[in-house]
Amino acid sequence: QKEVEQNSGPLSVPEGAIASLNCTYSDRGSQSFFWYRQYSGKSPELIMFIYSNGDKEDGRFTAQLNKASQYVSLLIRDSQPSDSATYLCAVNVDSSYKLIFGSGTRLLVRP
Amino acid sequence: DVKVTQSSRYLVKRTGEKVFLECVQDMDHENMFWYRQDPGLGLRLIYFSYDVKMKEKGDIPEGYSVSREKKERFSLILESASTNQTSMYLCASGGLNQPQHFGDGTRLSIL
Repeated sequence: QKEVEQNSGPLSVPEGAIASLNCTYSDRGSQSFFWYRQYSGKSPELIMFIYSNGDKEDGRFTAQLNKASQYVSLLIRDSQPSDSATYLCAVNVDSSYKLIFGSGTRLLVRP
Repeated sequence: DVKVTQSSRYLVKRTGEKVFLECVQDMDHENMFWYRQDPGLGLRLIYFSYDVKMKEKGDIPEGYSVSREKKERFSLILESASTNQTSMYLCASGGLNQPQHFGDGTRLSIL
């Protein structure tokens, strides 16, 4: 059974701090990695994707991928209360278009 | 911007009814997906389609069928609705080697 694991949280950080969200996956063949943000009662919104080992930055967000360790992370710099949401990690399966989603990490940014 | 439109935000049906959930995307994406999301169980793939008239079972296809007669439209059908199909249903679309983008979701209640 291919899996994507995330700590459910909540991860609580003060406003302005760096939030670090982590995800591990079991399928060594996975090539595409995605982070989605989901506010309560809303649908997931894509915020980052990464295909190669290393870091990818977009504004306050940085995705980090380490395929050898089967580990992907999302850093949110200068966290804002509006970043409070559940963050879903998703990984493609069997080199296909199918994604497996983690159960999500709830982030709480305290003003 | 990618636009994925689901026909209803909220829907209430009775057990035994045949239920149709519609999804339309405007980005000419090849791939379309239907998920359900339940507390504690995360996002689970019901069916997906990588081309017109093509469909593949996801992880939980039982009790559901799909139709894709046109590239932009992907329909989910609950053949005979049951109370355990009460859930949030999410449609997503994505191009070749591109991320998936979600619609707003349909919160379906089966009474």
